[in-house]
Amino acid sequence: DTGVSQNPRHKITKRGQNVTFRCDPISEHNRLYWYRQTLGQGPEFLTYFQNEAQLEKSRLLSDRFSAERPKGSFSTLEIQRTEQGDSAMYLCASSPNRASGNTIYFGEGSWLTVV
Amino acid sequence: QKEVEQDPGPLSVPEGAIVSLNCTYSNSAFQYFMWYRQYSRKGPELLMYTYSSGNKEDGRFTAQVDKSSKYISLFIRDSQPSDSATYLCAMSAMNSNSGYALNFGKGTSLLVTP
Repeated sequence: DTGVSQNPRHKITKRGQNVTFRCDPISEHNRLYWYRQTLGQGPEFLTYFQNEAQLEKSRLLSDRFSAERPKGSFSTLEIQRTEQGDSAMYLCASSPNRASGNTIYFGEGSWLTVV
Repeated sequence: QKEVEQDPGPLSVPEGAIVSLNCTYSNSAFQYFMWYRQYSRKGPELLMYTYSSGNKEDGRFTAQVDKSSKYISLFIRDSQPSDSATYLCAMSAMNSNSGYALNFGKGTSLLVTP
């Protein structure tokens, strides 16, 4: 399977706990994105990496959220001190580094439920 | 007002019908337009990608972009029950700083009945 891979697929956690999601992008895709999607809404942009550099962060990415892509390959998204409002599907996506614009491919998502 | 507006439906059609889905947007900087299909509790799957204005056809799917009206459409011919899903429009500006990050509509829920 050469698609975007996300783990874990589902996570149930108690409020106040920390959670971490992992994303393995399509091989050789330089660009990596994290999005969040809640029921009945389209995905919302959280952050973007070009190789290992985090180039853009949405205002949705509060201080409790941190994302890394240490070697320009896989990425992690950590949520500290989770709140019930963090319950959502967290989507990772990747795209090749073409000169202008490109198609973005999504993984299957990681579902987070905060109880 | 959101930058991308999409009627959430639901839209119910009989098998074999032509389906028309559409989105409007307000940001004239958008240059790249995509349609994704999303099944329940799955990630979005890329269906169509169009740059700037014009039409693009791929099998039973046709994507249209009218930048003058800030309006995009997806047509599905000979719809099948397996087309039942949520269809998301997405678009981005020529902003390399954000990696051409996408702005999505809410998605339209489509049900094709046998």
